[in-house]
Amino acid sequence: QQQVKQSPQSLIVQKGGISIINCAYENTAFDYFPWYQQFPGKGPALLIAIRPDVSEKKEGRFTISFNKSAKQFSLHIMDSQPGDSATYFCAASSDRGSTLGRLYFGRGTQLTVWP
Amino acid sequence: DGGITQSPKYLFRKEGQNVTLSCEQNLNHDAMYWYRQDPGQGLRLIYYSQIVNDFQKGDIAEGYSVSREKKESFPLTVTSAQKNPTAFYLCASSPRQMLYGYTFGSGTRLTVV
Repeated sequence: QQQVKQSPQSLIVQKGGISIINCAYENTAFDYFPWYQQFPGKGPALLIAIRPDVSEKKEGRFTISFNKSAKQFSLHIMDSQPGDSATYFCAASSDRGSTLGRLYFGRGTQLTVWP
Repeated sequence: DGGITQSPKYLFRKEGQNVTLSCEQNLNHDAMYWYRQDPGQGLRLIYYSQIVNDFQKGDIAEGYSVSREKKESFPLTVTSAQKNPTAFYLCASSPRQMLYGYTFGSGTRLTVV
């Protein structure tokens, strides 16, 4: 059973547009929600993360929106640039219980930004 | 400069041979992880270790083995029992409490012919 469901699988956006990637989870024990960015042939790198005590977090052009009641969170990339073309993974983890520290990843979204 | 080093970057092996992938970190992180990445499958957890001399199976541990004799090192052995070993393998580490997420290595691409 997949703990974190991510959509869409692929996304094509024009330069300057807004890219939106959505994730949903079931486990209410999750309390940490990071997003990772991965370029081809490289390991994923932490992009931005949020905890459920806030509904939004913004860092530059990247914003996480979090809806605790719906158990959903999303990544918005404003003014998308060709350099943003990469695979994006959402993830979730809990600081409690036997799975302490384990991150559960979505399946990834391949973003292509056309110039 | 702190980070995770995976070696080698590319590895070719004949079918039926065991192969060991190296992962070393100098971040003083307690926990270390091995993931396998295949196109369209995302990141699948093979093994993880939260402390030296202890490790747990992840979701796809069959055909793999690990050891954690030192805090800095978490090598992964892909055995001949792994039916489809060709993949991109990623190692990661994190502090015990999930405050800053994982730090990933650059990966090893294993091709079995």
